[in-house]
Amino acid sequence: ETGVTQTPRHLVMGMTNKKSLKCEQHLGHNAMYWYKQSAKKPLELMFVYNFKEQTENNSVPSRFSPECPNSSHLFLHLHTLQPEDSALYLCASSVGDGGNTIYFGEGSWLTVV
Amino acid sequence: GQQVMQIPQYQHVQEGEDFTTYCNSSTTLSNIQWYKQRPGGHPVFLIQLVKSGEVKKQKRLTFQFGEAKKNSSLHITATQTTDVGTYFCAGEGWQGGSEKLVFGKGTKLTVNP
Repeated sequence: ETGVTQTPRHLVMGMTNKKSLKCEQHLGHNAMYWYKQSAKKPLELMFVYNFKEQTENNSVPSRFSPECPNSSHLFLHLHTLQPEDSALYLCASSVGDGGNTIYFGEGSWLTVV
Repeated sequence: GQQVMQIPQYQHVQEGEDFTTYCNSSTTLSNIQWYKQRPGGHPVFLIQLVKSGEVKKQKRLTFQFGEAKKNSSLHITATQTTDVGTYFCAGEGWQGGSEKLVFGKGTKLTVNP
């Protein structure tokens, strides 16, 4: 139990599908993150939210659309992905977005076919 | 921007041998953190170093922060099969007017029993 819960844990989707990844943190943190982990780039920061506001978008393609309705929940909406988007998507949280200790969820394994 | 380089990328050792991974930042850091990711798992926080020249120990693991606060190392004495995984350093430093946590690419450790 990490305090950061991600669903689904595994997802297979076609390139024309629309799906969403969900993350919930039970740690009372104010910042939430999406990271992408693949063989080529082990830990690639995608988005940062602090108090529900997006504070960082690391030049992520628009086919990835984050949503943060409150400080405890974070979504990653996926649309018309490419096979090279197949990766482990890690949600994380921290007290603030100023580089505090990061608590990761168990990740969502995404395969795009 | 701030870059964190970590070497080696891979390390294979015989059980009982020592292991060291090194982390170097292009800029002075406020602190450095270390994480471990077991195969199939998610990164888990190990420790944070804040002071110049700081050394901390966790059983067989020794963590050091350089005097200039730009480099760090993790040393494992007498490795065991339970040590396998990828070890990431993450340096926190000022970037673009705010503090950012930047991960290295990790060192993947395998241990031959």
